[in-house]
Amino acid sequence: AQSVTQPDIHITVSEGASLELRCNYSYGATPYLFWYVQSPGQGLQLLLKYFSGDTLVQGIKGFEAEFKRSQSSFNLRKPSVHWSDAAEYFCAVGVGDSSYKLIFGSGTRLLVRP
Amino acid sequence: GAGVSQSPRYKVTKRGQDVALRCDPISGHVSLYWYRQALGQGPEFLTYFNYEAQQDKSGLPNDRFSAERPEGSISTLTIQRTEQRDSAMYRCASSLRSGTGNQETQYFGPGTRLLVL
Repeated sequence: AQSVTQPDIHITVSEGASLELRCNYSYGATPYLFWYVQSPGQGLQLLLKYFSGDTLVQGIKGFEAEFKRSQSSFNLRKPSVHWSDAAEYFCAVGVGDSSYKLIFGSGTRLLVRP
Repeated sequence: GAGVSQSPRYKVTKRGQDVALRCDPISGHVSLYWYRQALGQGPEFLTYFNYEAQQDKSGLPNDRFSAERPEGSISTLTIQRTEQRDSAMYRCASSLRSGTGNQETQYFGPGTRLLVL
């Protein structure tokens, strides 16, 4: 069965520092890949998505992600974190004919030190 | 414009009661999706509608769960005879075009947090 792994439950970074959140998936073919952010009391907001083409994807709020087929990874990065980035981040994949059925990782909670 | 809205935002009920959760998608969005999110986990797919047709209900955990979207807009997720294990955040999403065969972005609502005592 397809699965998505976010190995880091919590990550703490200092404001202004760089950030990388890890995401690995298990699926034979290239899935559709997404990163969502969940702030308290808010719905899930799409940060970026990868369907095909350039493996480096730019998103909103200064985030980017790189698809690496050889590593089955889609890691999220930001060069300089702001305090407002503190939230929970979810990686998700959609596969094949049922790509509407998003499969989510368990999330990574980002804490930002002032 | 307005995003996906869900009501109620919080629902506390006693075991054995029925609950109905409402989702109002973004206007004009064709497809609607329901997910359930347990504490500390990512959302899990429940069911999917294209207009009023329920295309996939493979994620509904058992026959106590049902969903409808009778006019192709607002949807209701109903849980009958609730059990404590049903406690979770229930999230709704919508997409502009059909989710079948397309790489559609799903826009999520704020969710309904259900607590079954």
